[in-house]
Amino acid sequence: GAVVSQHPSRVICKSGTSVKIECRSLDFQATTMFWYRQFPKQSLMLMATSNEGSKATYEQGVEKDKFLINHASLTLSTLTVTSAHPEDSSFYICSALGLAGGAREQYFGPGTRLTVT
Amino acid sequence: AQSVTQPDIHITVSEGASLELRCNYSYGATPYLFWYVQSPGQGLQLLLKYFSGDTLVQGIKGFEAEFKRSQSSFNLRKPSVHWSDAAEYFCAVVSTGNQFYFGTGTSLTVIP
Repeated sequence: GAVVSQHPSRVICKSGTSVKIECRSLDFQATTMFWYRQFPKQSLMLMATSNEGSKATYEQGVEKDKFLINHASLTLSTLTVTSAHPEDSSFYICSALGLAGGAREQYFGPGTRLTVT
Repeated sequence: AQSVTQPDIHITVSEGASLELRCNYSYGATPYLFWYVQSPGQGLQLLLKYFSGDTLVQGIKGFEAEFKRSQSSFNLRKPSVHWSDAAEYFCAVVSTGNQFYFGTGTSLTVIP
């Protein structure tokens, strides 16, 4: 089955530093990946849509200069949280768009827990 | 605009009892519908999905869901709940642009 990995699974960083999160599709190519953010006890909030070889499309209210997304290959998208602050602490989940039975389906990564101190 | 509503924020059931989690959607065309389960600190695991065809969909872990177009619903059911089913459950609809719209989730507690 289609597998999506994320690295790291947990990261703690100091306020003001930058953190990079990787999202990889392990056994399929994904021209489109999505990045979500989830606060405790809440649903997933779509942050941006990442397309291979082009600029990401950000949802309204998401700062593109703060959350840098790069989708340089068909199997890798990265999210960099720049100048992180405690309010950026959250659970970040990526997904990759693949084909399943002729229909498109998103395959989700296991998530990355970011804590900014 | 697409949206998903999960009316129940939290549900508590006894182990062995039946379960139904409600999901209502708003979508103009034939929807693609999904149910996911999330354990604490974990990612999302797909339980089942509906694209077309038979409106009763079977999933993993003994779950099933029924698509009812007339009611714009896609409720998740399980005949007998196990303690390991305690988790957060999300219903989602996907647009033609491949964007997922998630419900706010239902937290399931299973009591022995």
